[in-house]
Amino acid sequence: NAGVTQTPKFRVLKTGQSMTLLCAQDMNHEYMYWYRQDPGMGLRLIHYSVGEGTTAKGEVPDGYNVSRLKKQNFLLGLESAAPSQTSVYFCASSFRGHDSGANVLTFGAGSRLTVL
Amino acid sequence: AQTVTQSQPEMSVQEAETVTLSCTYDTSESDYYLFWYKQPPSRQMILVIRQEAYKQQNATENRFSVNFQKAAKSFSLKISDSQLGDAAMYFCAYRGPYGGATNKLIFGTGTLLAVQP
Repeated sequence: NAGVTQTPKFRVLKTGQSMTLLCAQDMNHEYMYWYRQDPGMGLRLIHYSVGEGTTAKGEVPDGYNVSRLKKQNFLLGLESAAPSQTSVYFCASSFRGHDSGANVLTFGAGSRLTVL
Repeated sequence: AQTVTQSQPEMSVQEAETVTLSCTYDTSESDYYLFWYKQPPSRQMILVIRQEAYKQQNATENRFSVNFQKAAKSFSLKISDSQLGDAAMYFCAYRGPYGGATNKLIFGTGTLLAVQP
């Protein structure tokens, strides 16, 4: 009963390095999301996916890429990290459906990324 | 575009007292969902309460209740009998009606609640 698991939980990168954050959910959710959280700015959507093999841009997609090759996994990639990408990243997932329960997101515990 | 505004960056309440956190939002939709999430120092996002816009009755969950004013686009959270464990960042969030692109959750900037013993 793991829910949403993010790896790694912490990472320090140098400017220009690349890395991938992995999000895995075991609830058979159709929708998955990547958010970043910065002080005073709440959570902002980076990219999201409404199903396996599909992805879409959120409000702050620049500098990130994503892939959803398997339904249970949603990967967030930084090809060339920049200090502006220092943040806490959250993955979330939810069912697809009409009732209110389908609109509840389950979040991972977050991944703190520092780019020097 | 939908927006969510939390105008109180920080709030403080005495233990056992009641506190109300404010949230306003902007949308042209008539059907949508509103949420309050709690983020304690552990960083985990925890759903506190949710409200469907088509329901006139305010949602309640134990010590947590909302005052949903659809015409005013206001969605405040009341915490009664505040406890030390309630200290956290609270986020108000909006989600549009069913549909792939509108199923995104839009967050306010948060209110940091301190509970004084």
